[in-house]
Amino acid sequence: SQQGEEDPQALSIQEGENATMNCSYKTSINNLQWYRQNSGRGLVHLILIRSNEREKHSGRLRVTLDTSKKSSSLLITASRAADTASYFCATAPLNTGANSKLTFGKGITLSVRP
Amino acid sequence: GAVVSQHPSWVICKSGTSVKIECRSLDFQATTMFWYRQFPKKSLMLMATSNEGSKATYEQGVEKDKFLINHASLTLSTLTVTSAHPEDSSFYICSARQGFQPQHFGDGTRLSIL
Repeated sequence: SQQGEEDPQALSIQEGENATMNCSYKTSINNLQWYRQNSGRGLVHLILIRSNEREKHSGRLRVTLDTSKKSSSLLITASRAADTASYFCATAPLNTGANSKLTFGKGITLSVRP
Repeated sequence: GAVVSQHPSWVICKSGTSVKIECRSLDFQATTMFWYRQFPKKSLMLMATSNEGSKATYEQGVEKDKFLINHASLTLSTLTVTSAHPEDSSFYICSARQGFQPQHFGDGTRLSIL
């Protein structure tokens, strides 16, 4: 399997509900990042959580990281139709150098119904 | 801040021609740039990593003579798909990073080879 696998693969919710997306990975990491991609567009960086952090908030986003379980979750509270997009987790390897590469998961398609 | 411009956003060309895609960091100096390829509803596949003034490092399975990368300055990297064929049709995305900061992505280039 691929480093950085998200679940569910697709999520459909009603506007105003919370959306929770999960990511699992296999190797030790320096940090984990979440990105958003609107259809046909590039990726937008949402939030980065370091391996020594357990939780981080940014506006309506809440990210958790459990290094013992090698998993992370992204929670979007009070979702809006504009949150409809694909969400990717990406991991940076433990030995991070100047050329360190991110490994992306397969992505979660979130649909928020108005 | 941290804007990455990718051009063109969409290109259609005949089989056998070469296509150049530009990636520019508009408001920061990109010490490292990355080129990705994305198939429909799939994750990003890293093709190569480039540092300003040095040769790109290609991922396994990516033909360096097919996908020429030039990172001539701290604000510009180019990807040239040489002698493009229909199987090269895809969505190509660049990202740029300054030092150890998160990667910032361009909006992607949809390449269609007829």
